[in-house]
Parts: sequence; structure tokens; C-alpha cells
Amino acid sequence: DAGVIQSPRHEVTEMGQEVTLRCKLISGHNSLFWYRQTMMRGLELLIYFNNNVPIDDSGMPEDRFSAKMPNASFSTLKIQPSEPRDSAVYFCASNDANTGELFFGEGSRLTVL
Amino acid sequence: RKEVEQDPGPFNVPEGATVAFNCTYSNSASQSFFWYRQDCRKEPKLLMSVYSSGNEDGRFTAQLNRASQYISLLIRDSKLSDSATYLCVVNSNAGNMLTFGGGTRLMVKP
Repeated sequence: DAGVIQSPRHEVTEMGQEVTLRCKLISGHNSLFWYRQTMMRGLELLIYFNNNVPIDDSGMPEDRFSAKMPNASFSTLKIQPSEPRDSAVYFCASNDANTGELFFGEGSRLTVL
Repeated sequence: RKEVEQDPGPFNVPEGATVAFNCTYSNSASQSFFWYRQDCRKEPKLLMSVYSSGNEDGRFTAQLNRASQYISLLIRDSKLSDSATYLCVVNSNAGNMLTFGGGTRLMVKP
């Protein structure tokens, strides 16, 4: 199994541009999590899905952020318009329901200038 | 008060030393507890789960104290390769949500 796959690995963009981050889950996992990590705030949960349904999006910073899970294996996190304070590493993770273990992707490092 | 709190460190220790980290959590109804390890510029990975009776995996020992609401991680005979950030993780509700502490940075020196 290839594990959780995220793209792009790195993105540099200018303020105001739209950013789309992508995530492919591990086959057989039915929960997906989007986290954001910064030096100041650590690892923060943005949103999580269970069986393609958003369960808790209370961590989504504001309306500029949106996430979708159009099918059981794929999700996107969109920021529109992006701002410099959105610069962070965005991790996607999927969950083994039997053990509770989270498997993380390698992250998407976003820099907004 | 943060839901999961850790001393950020860094803990600087020589090779072969024993080092311990604590983590406190605020929700007394928390069900599951884990330690994750994160290397610099990498993703977090599960180090070990923490069971009520305490558990050991080689040089690593994890313990849970429900009365005082903390978990601990003990590393014996530390190696250079143990240098990383250790994240305390708590499942605070009946669902799948895991809350991460801010992490404790460990640096093992020769």
C-alpha cells in the first residue's frame, strides 16, 4: 500500500490566489483528517470526514477554507483567497478504525507571499 | 487551558541517558492515548499506544495516570536517532478525533 498521498508537496503562491491541496487515503480507511502545523500553534485539526461526510469542521479558520470528499478515497482542501498567515504545512491523515492509528501523508508545505 | 499540554523542551541529553516526558490532558472522559514521533520536516508517525496498565516496547515505556490526568514516556539508553519531537495524542470523545499536544523536542548528543 502506498500510504496517504498528498499533493503538491510544496507550493509557493501570492496573496489572493486560490490554493488547492489534494489527498488520497489508504484503501480501506474510512476517516480522513486535515491538519495544519505551524511553529506557533502546533498541529491543529481543521476538519475530519467519516465515510465521506464532514463530521467536525470547527477547526476550519474561516470561510476562505473549504474541504470536500467527493469519493471514499480522495479529498481536497481549498483556500480562496489565500493570505500570508495561511503559510503552514498541511497534513492529511487517514485512520485505521481497528487500532485508532492515524497515518499521515508527507504534508503539503504552503508559502503565501 | 489547552486540552493537551506538553513541555516544549528542548531536552538535551547525552547518548545513553534516560529521559522522561509528561503530558497532561484536561478532559477526564478521554478514552485513548498515544505517543507519536515527528522528525524534522517529516510527518508524525505512531510510536506507541498507551494502555491503562502501562506498556513497554524495547527502550520505550509509556504510562497512564488517570487520577492525575497525565501520560508519560520514558526512553532508556537514548540513541542519537531518538532525536525528534514527541507528540502526546488524546482521543477526547467517542468519535475519531485525536487532539495533539504541542510536542516535546528531544536532542540526543554524542
